[in-house]
Parts: sequence; structure tokens; C-alpha cells
Amino acid sequence: GAVVSQHPSWVICKSGTSVKIECRSLDFQATTMFWYRQFPKQSLMLMATSNEGSKATYEQGVEKDKFLINHASLTLSTLTVTSAHPEDSSFYICSAYVGGTEAFFGQGTRLTVV
Amino acid sequence: DAKTTQPPSMDCAEGRAANLPCNHSTISGNEYVYWYRQIHSQGPQYIIHGLKNNETNEMASLIITEDRKSSTLILPHATLRDTAVYYCIVRVASGTYKYIFGTGTRLKVLA
Repeated sequence: GAVVSQHPSWVICKSGTSVKIECRSLDFQATTMFWYRQFPKQSLMLMATSNEGSKATYEQGVEKDKFLINHASLTLSTLTVTSAHPEDSSFYICSAYVGGTEAFFGQGTRLTVV
Repeated sequence: DAKTTQPPSMDCAEGRAANLPCNHSTISGNEYVYWYRQIHSQGPQYIIHGLKNNETNEMASLIITEDRKSSTLILPHATLRDTAVYYCIVRVASGTYKYIFGTGTRLKVLA
């Protein structure tokens, strides 16, 4: 299947700093990517839909100024967690779909804010 | 909100078939049923999807009831590596294609 790659796989940052997570579609072009977060022993929660060349669409309750999404090309979307705090520590996962069939997910990024 | 209901956990003996049920009683005519699984600390992995007909691939079989209100994912010969959380998702056939995950079923395959 198609490959979606996230970088970094894990990151530790200090409280108050910003962290950028990259999501790349390696062998296909993705006009739309999705960002999820997952807390321990919980399900994935959709944060936002990232559209190439336009503003992201955020789910209700997700702060768009805190979670900045940029989808500058058909193979790259980035999620920046601004002014991170310990409660932002979570597993962040992106996905993209190919030709309207199944979506493919990245391996996830574990963010720990200390 | 997720449109699916799954049992929170199940056990299955290694080598036996694992049958994972999913209820999606409010599914619409243009919505597909998708199954993914998530092994600990990894991204979800696609398994199979279907609209109304039963489907089979190298990983699993998907049985959808005639009224489409429920489905069953079948892993024919479960192995220890199949231990994971299995998610059943309904998704519209057009539009944004976003997935709303429910709570999933935690399948434990026992040696």
C-alpha cells in the first residue's frame, strides 16, 4: 500500500516551546491529509483536515492558533504545536488517502512536553 | 460522534478464527464500512472495507448483514501478531473522506 511517513517519531520539548511534526506521502500525492491525536488507552480523535493550498478545517474544540497546520505541497503537511504545555503530550498521527479509497496512516509522533 | 459500536475487548486462541462484531445501525446507503487495526504505539493499518457485499483479502474477510446494520471482521487463523485494537469505521463515499474513530475492540490472541 501507499506510504505515509511522519517525522520525528518521538520528540521531547520544554514547556513553552513550539514543535513541528511533518507528514509526508512518499509515493503518491495527497490533496487532503488528516491530523489526529491519541491519549493513552483512548481512541484517535480527529483534530483537523489539511487541504493543499488552503486553510485547514479544524474540528470543534481544537484551537487553531495552538495547532498550526500547513499543507504547502501535495506531499507534505506539517502540524506545529505552539507554546506547548504538558497537557499537549500525546500521540499525533496523520493520514492521507489515495484516489478515494482507503486512507493510509503515518507511524505516529509521540510528543512529550516537560 | 462515531457511528459504530464495538465490544471493548475479546480474547481468541492462537490458530482459531477471530470474529469481531460491529454495529452500525444508522449507516446510510452511501457509506462504506472500513476496518483498521492499531498495534501498540503505531499508526492504524488498513485491513478491509466493503459497501454491501462480503469481501475477502489476504488479511481478513468482511461479512456485512443484508440490512447493513452490522458487520463482522473475520481473521481466519489468528496469530499472536494479530493482537491489536480493531476499529470499525463508517465513511461516506464522497466528500472529505474523514474517519471518525470509535472506541474499537482490543483483541488479545492467546498462545
